[in-house]
Amino acid sequence: DQQVKQNSPSLSVQEGRISILNCDYTNSMFDYFLWYKKYPAEGPTFLISISSIKDKNEDGRFTVFLNKSAKHLSLHIVPSQPGDSAVYFCAASAQDKIIFGKGTRLHILP
Amino acid sequence: SAVISQKPSRDICQRGTSLTIQCQVDSQVTMMFWYRQQPGQSLTLIATANQGSEATYESGFVIDKFPISRPNLTFSTLTVSNMSPEDSSIYLCSVASGRYHEQYFGPGTRLTVT
Repeated sequence: DQQVKQNSPSLSVQEGRISILNCDYTNSMFDYFLWYKKYPAEGPTFLISISSIKDKNEDGRFTVFLNKSAKHLSLHIVPSQPGDSAVYFCAASAQDKIIFGKGTRLHILP
Repeated sequence: SAVISQKPSRDICQRGTSLTIQCQVDSQVTMMFWYRQQPGQSLTLIATANQGSEATYESGFVIDKFPISRPNLTFSTLTVSNMSPEDSSIYLCSVASGRYHEQYFGPGTRLTVT
């Protein structure tokens, strides 16, 4: 039973445009939602998080939106840059555990 | 942030053997975690390793299969015992910063069991 779902295995976006990565979850008890970024042959790196009591958090080019009623969050990257090409993991935290999604591979096209 | 190294970076092992993976952190940390990422799957927590206490294993993972040591605040090992091809995965260690959910990961160990 997947508690955190990323339904798009991959996404291609033109450089300079907006990238939108989506994530759905099932557990209402999650208190933090997270995005991690992973390059090949490296471990995931923490990117941005949002508390369950907020609906938006912004950090430079990265913004995470949380819609609790729909149990949905999204990561917006604008403008997209070549270095953003990576696998992005959506994750959620509750009771000192992190549950990860399967990841979405983002390709930034020149 | 913490800098984490893992050894080996990759290995090919025969079924029935065991492999010990080392995780070294450049600063003292209380909580260390071991994850597995099977091909095409998400990261799955194997166990939490706190210095001075027994590791806490997640459902589906047992100490006999994945023994963990945590001798000090900067080092941990995970052993994958009596390996089978189903153990072929990337194994990652991580540590928590001040907030549990902001974890720093090592580069991973890619294990192939033949």
